[in-house]
Amino acid sequence: NAGVTQTPKFQVLKTGQSMTLQCAQDMNHNSMYWYRQDPGMGLRLIYYSASEGTTDKGEVPNGYNVSRLNKREFSLRLESAAPSQTSVYFCASSVTGNTIYFGEGSWLTVV
Amino acid sequence: SQQGEEDPQALSIQEGENATMNCSYKTSINNLQWYRQNSGRGLVHLILIRSNEREKHSGRLRVTLDTSKKSSSLLITASRAADTASYFCATPLGNDYKLSFGAGTTVTVRA
Repeated sequence: NAGVTQTPKFQVLKTGQSMTLQCAQDMNHNSMYWYRQDPGMGLRLIYYSASEGTTDKGEVPNGYNVSRLNKREFSLRLESAAPSQTSVYFCASSVTGNTIYFGEGSWLTVV
Repeated sequence: SQQGEEDPQALSIQEGENATMNCSYKTSINNLQWYRQNSGRGLVHLILIRSNEREKHSGRLRVTLDTSKKSSSLLITASRAADTASYFCATPLGNDYKLSFGAGTTVTVRA
């Protein structure tokens, strides 16, 4: 039982490049999330998906897009990366309204 | 904007001592959760306390919730080196699908 798996673990991008962060969960959870974590800011919600087929904006959605591919997978895309998107990204999932289970994080640097 | 704020930002204690951290939040909630994050890892759920509960225990953890003051506390008793981590409170943001996290309290337990 892997829980929440996200890839890649580390990535360096040049300004303007695009990339997709992949996330999959094997716990049959309805809800999935993408957060970013910056020093001194805690975690901020980028996008979430309450159930398969739905996605909604969180606190900081600008510059990102998401796809809920199926119940297991929720990807986060940066279309044109900017240095301000340098951060640690966490995918997470939950049975709605309950404990959130996090992946191990993806460290993204935009130069 | 972030719903919860932890206090203090950082805490350094001797092994065996107790560690107490607080969380204040802004709007009415139906539950509050605490999470731990070890360096370089994802967040791990510790405990959930509902709005009709005043205190909850889990092993060496004790959580209180005062809805009239919009605050919660997390007490770790008889701390160990393995308790060195950042601790975050999380509250529902708008609805149960989304959680808002504070900036966290970094706890260092000295041997």
